[in-house]
Amino acid sequence: QVQLVESGGGLVKPGGSLRLSCAASEFTFSDYYMSWIRQPPGKGLEWVSYISSSDSAIYYAGSVKGRFTISRDNAKNSLYLQMNSLRAEDTAVYYCARGPVGSRFDPWGQGTLVTVSS
Amino acid sequence: QSVLTQPPSVSGAPGQRVTISCTGSSSNIGAGYDVHWYQQLPGTAPKLLIYGNSNRPSGVPDRFSGSKSGTSASLAITGLQAEDEADYYCQSYDSSLGGLYVFGTGTKVTVL
Repeated sequence: QVQLVESGGGLVKPGGSLRLSCAASEFTFSDYYMSWIRQPPGKGLEWVSYISSSDSAIYYAGSVKGRFTISRDNAKNSLYLQMNSLRAEDTAVYYCARGPVGSRFDPWGQGTLVTVSS
Repeated sequence: QSVLTQPPSVSGAPGQRVTISCTGSSSNIGAGYDVHWYQQLPGTAPKLLIYGNSNRPSGVPDRFSGSKSGTSASLAITGLQAEDEADYYCQSYDSSLGGLYVFGTGTKVTVL
């Protein structure tokens, strides 16, 4: 079935950078918009960014605009999130999700934890 | 930061019916945008439960149902089961500044 597998999370100091990856399989990756959604520990969900199927359209939440960059490689069936100038409030599990499709997200990957701390 | 408001928790005995509300505004639910619901079991990723206000993806039991009216939406769980104990989130599109896609504050469902 459709599978999304994130990687690249870890511990980083404030002001540092990290690059997340999401490997997609069992669907035609190049046909779909893709998104990153995050969840701080013990808290709710926050949509972070999406990229269109051909990367002609890219949008960010205001909280990450100018610091995060979403990209994709359709030849490698992969989605990326470059995170710069990281802050403590960026600490969260980051999920890769297919969509928006009709404004919904389905399915989601298992998530990767990013911890920003000195 | 969430613009969709849900009750923090609801509970019910096995077999009972519980409902979760999701209150938005004229820039999201009230503007006619669809509402979707996700179930997050402990320690797992969210899973799509209801899409387009009231549609169930294949494999989701018909115990789960969704509705929408005005600036609010609701998720109902009938015949509550122990495996329904989870966090539930509503989600929609918002046309105001600050974010395109918005989630609810989340509701913890406890089966007594």
